[in-house]
Amino acid sequence: DSGVTQTPKHLITATGQRVTLRCSPRSGDLSVYWYQQSLDQGLQFLIQYYNGEERAKGNILERFSAQQFPDLHSELNLSSLELGDSALYFCASSEVGSWTQYFGPGTRLLVL
Amino acid sequence: DQQVKQNSPSLSVQEGRISILNCDYTNSMFDYFLWYKKYPAEGPTFLISISSIKDKNEDGRFTVFLNKSAKHLSLHIVPSQPGDSAVYFCAASGQGGSEKLVFGKGTKLTVNP
Repeated sequence: DSGVTQTPKHLITATGQRVTLRCSPRSGDLSVYWYQQSLDQGLQFLIQYYNGEERAKGNILERFSAQQFPDLHSELNLSSLELGDSALYFCASSEVGSWTQYFGPGTRLLVL
Repeated sequence: DQQVKQNSPSLSVQEGRISILNCDYTNSMFDYFLWYKKYPAEGPTFLISISSIKDKNEDGRFTVFLNKSAKHLSLHIVPSQPGDSAVYFCAASGQGGSEKLVFGKGTKLTVNP
């Protein structure tokens, strides 16, 4: 158990819909990262938050957005969903000054 | 443009023997390299890491070697156990101070009893 929690574990929705994925980092970790794992692309970095502020952006679509709240949990919002958004979404966290990221169990999103 | 490459999609070894997983990278600006293990339906689990200023790091049965001139790293597992069967991901970080992880596509290791 990495100490990072993600909800829900599974999500099935339809094209055009909007969903919110939630992540709670390890106790004390200020950085939260979101990654997408699809079959053909592997694990791809989406976005990083540090203590409530966006720190880095990767291959995140404009239809996707994220935020980190004062209690340090983070939410990833996916809107206008397309079939190709079906993937595993992982959240990770790290402590200040550490390169090591600890991953949650992921949310499996299926868009029908 | 894949900056971190794991050219072997799969590897099969006998229990008790050595498993060697390889990883190549193209960007010499990476500062830190990590290996993760992933079981189906679970998130990646951190295994071992190495800083670019070192060439070897050991933790129990796991050893990571870094060859900066060749832009190559490898993970050695000795002795291999059936419970080591999983997908192993190589990741790199630190490019331009960025903390994001750049992952290879993984190698599926099967350890046969």
